[in-house]
Parts: sequence; C-alpha cells; structure tokens
Amino acid sequence: ILNVEQSPQSLHVQEGDSTNFTCSFPSSNFYALHWYRWETAKSPEALFVMTLNGDEKKKGRISATLNTKEGYSYLYIKGSQPEDSATYLCAFINHDYKLSFGAGTTVTVRA
Amino acid sequence: SAVISQKPSRDICQRGTSLTIQCQVDSQVTMMFWYRQQPGQSLTLIATANQGSEATYESGFVIDKFPISRPNLTFSTLTVSNMSPEDSSIYLCSFSLGTGAYEQYFGPGTRLTVT
Repeated sequence: ILNVEQSPQSLHVQEGDSTNFTCSFPSSNFYALHWYRWETAKSPEALFVMTLNGDEKKKGRISATLNTKEGYSYLYIKGSQPEDSATYLCAFINHDYKLSFGAGTTVTVRA
Repeated sequence: SAVISQKPSRDICQRGTSLTIQCQVDSQVTMMFWYRQQPGQSLTLIATANQGSEATYESGFVIDKFPISRPNLTFSTLTVSNMSPEDSSIYLCSFSLGTGAYEQYFGPGTRLTVT
C-alpha cells in the first residue's frame, strides 16, 4: 500500500468562496493520478485523469494541477456552491497499474 | 457510458454470518474490482474479479474471507464471510475500460454494519 495523503481531512467553505486542497503521493514510479468526487449515497465519479507533470485540467468551476516531480496535486473549487459538498478522493497509480487512494477531503459548502 | 448497480445498498448483520453483495453492469466489461472503505480509512482494493477464473486478491485479503464470483462479463458477487464488527465498511464494486490511466466507474456502494 503506497502512501497517498490528502489534506485537510475536511473543510468548510462559505458559498461563493473558493478553496483548494492537496493530494501528496510518491514521486517515483508515477503513472497517473485520478481525482474522484463522492457525494453521500452516490457513486464516486471521476473528475480528472492526469498523467503528465505540469498537467492542468478543468471541469466547470473545478480544476486540478499536477506536479509529479515533487509528488503533489492540487484540486481547486472556484466560487463554491452547495452542490460541491462531497468527499474528494485522489488515487495514485504506479507502473504496475495499482491504484492507491487517499482518505479524502470532505468539503462542506455553507449556503 | 455503462451503468453499474449494487445490492443491497445497506445491511445490518450479526457477527458470524455472511453477506453476499451483487454488482451488475449494463454492458460487458473486462475488468471488475471490489473495494472496501472502513470508517475513516482510505478506499482499499480487495481484489480484481476475473471472468472465468479465480479473483486476484490484494495483500491482506484472502479468498476464504472474501470469496468472489464472476460468472460473466456483466456480473460479480463479493461475499463477506464469518463477519465481525471490523468488517463494517462501505463495499464498492467498480469497472475500468483499461489499466492505469483509465478511470474507474463505481457502483453506489453497500454500507455494511456488523453487530
């Protein structure tokens, strides 16, 4: 099991504010990084698949960056809305194609 | 994209009993997986369900405790055997269209509580 850490564990943000949180992972043997959003009582759904150092991906108000050399990824939520409330998971994939998930960052957006 | 469903969605079971969780995909997929998330822990891969052969288990998981079936390319079951309170978790099935850079598609999960 590879060490994938997400911080903070949870955060509260006011509606309309922007926020970000991190995923750190081993910088060696990197193949890909996934971000998932997991809303309560629903299936986790993929947000981004990132493979290249320096990758930046965007989906609506959510974006992510990737630094494979130092082993971290940031996920940003711009102008948070109540529907952004969820747990955000990152998963590190090595060259053996093994997925190792972080414990997640739970975001609560206050209206 | 394919739809993946699981049942039951939740259950409360007594220790010592077994529960079988079913996972159904509405189209044929090659790779299916079973995960567990214990309270406060990361999502952890239990095994890869292989069609027509035994599942491939990850370190720390054994077939006697978590027998898996994969009779065809759309269906799989996971049994949690001889349950104890430590088995209380969310169990998720998933599939992928490939390895590595391919995202996982997850079912809605089975919330299991063992008393």
